[in-house]
Amino acid sequence: GNSVTQMEGPVTLSEEAFLTINCTYTATGYPSLFWYVQYPGEGLQLLLKATKADDKGSNKGFEATYRKETTSFHLEKGSVQVSDSAVYFCALTRVTGNQFYFGTGTSLTVIP
Amino acid sequence: SQTIHQWPATLVQPVGSPLSLECTVEGTSNPNLYWYRQAAGRGLQLLFYSVGIGQISSEVPQNLSASRPQDRQFILSSKKLLLSDSGFYLCAWRKAGDSPLHFGNGTRLTVT
Repeated sequence: GNSVTQMEGPVTLSEEAFLTINCTYTATGYPSLFWYVQYPGEGLQLLLKATKADDKGSNKGFEATYRKETTSFHLEKGSVQVSDSAVYFCALTRVTGNQFYFGTGTSLTVIP
Repeated sequence: SQTIHQWPATLVQPVGSPLSLECTVEGTSNPNLYWYRQAAGRGLQLLFYSVGIGQISSEVPQNLSASRPQDRQFILSSKKLLLSDSGFYLCAWRKAGDSPLHFGNGTRLTVT
C-alpha cells in the first residue's frame, strides 16, 4: 500500500540553526511527493513538491530532494527563523489515484 | 486564480444538534473535493472525497455525511453531533492526476 512516515516531533531549534525533518514513503509505482506547512489555527499550505526521482523542490529557503533509491523526501533549511515555527507534513499522491497520503506531522518550534 | 472558501471559521454546538459546514471553490471546474478532520493532535483524517457531482466516497463510517450538490460546492453534515465530533475540519480541492491539494482555512468545531 501507500504510506508516509515522518520523524517524530516536537523539534526545537535555535534561530539560524540547520533543519532536517525526515520523511520516507512506501508506494506502488512512481508517486509525487509534497511538503505542507500548517501555522497555528490555519489550514495546510503547499510548501514544495517533486514529481519524479532526483527532482528537488524548493521554496522560502526550504528544500527537499526526491530520492527513489532510499524512498525518502527529507525537508531541509539552512537557517531557520522564528517565523518557521509550524507543523510540517510530508505527503504523497499517485497520478492514477484520488487520495493523498499524509505523514503524522512534525511540530517545529524555533526560539530566538 | 483559484480560491477555496470554507465557513464558518469557528462553531460551538451542543451535543445532539445538527451540523452543516460548507466549502466552495472558485476559478476551476470539476475539482476533486475533500473533507479532512484534525482531532486534538496534528494528524489528518480523511473523511470524504468526491470526484464529481453526487459522487461521494466515505473513508470513515460515522455519524457524518457529505454532499456535493454543485460542481464546486461540498457540504459536511450531521443530524446529531457527538462530543467526539469536536475538531478542526478542513476542506480541500485538487485537479485529477498528481496535482497538489489546496486547503481552506478550516472550521474549528467544539461540541459541548
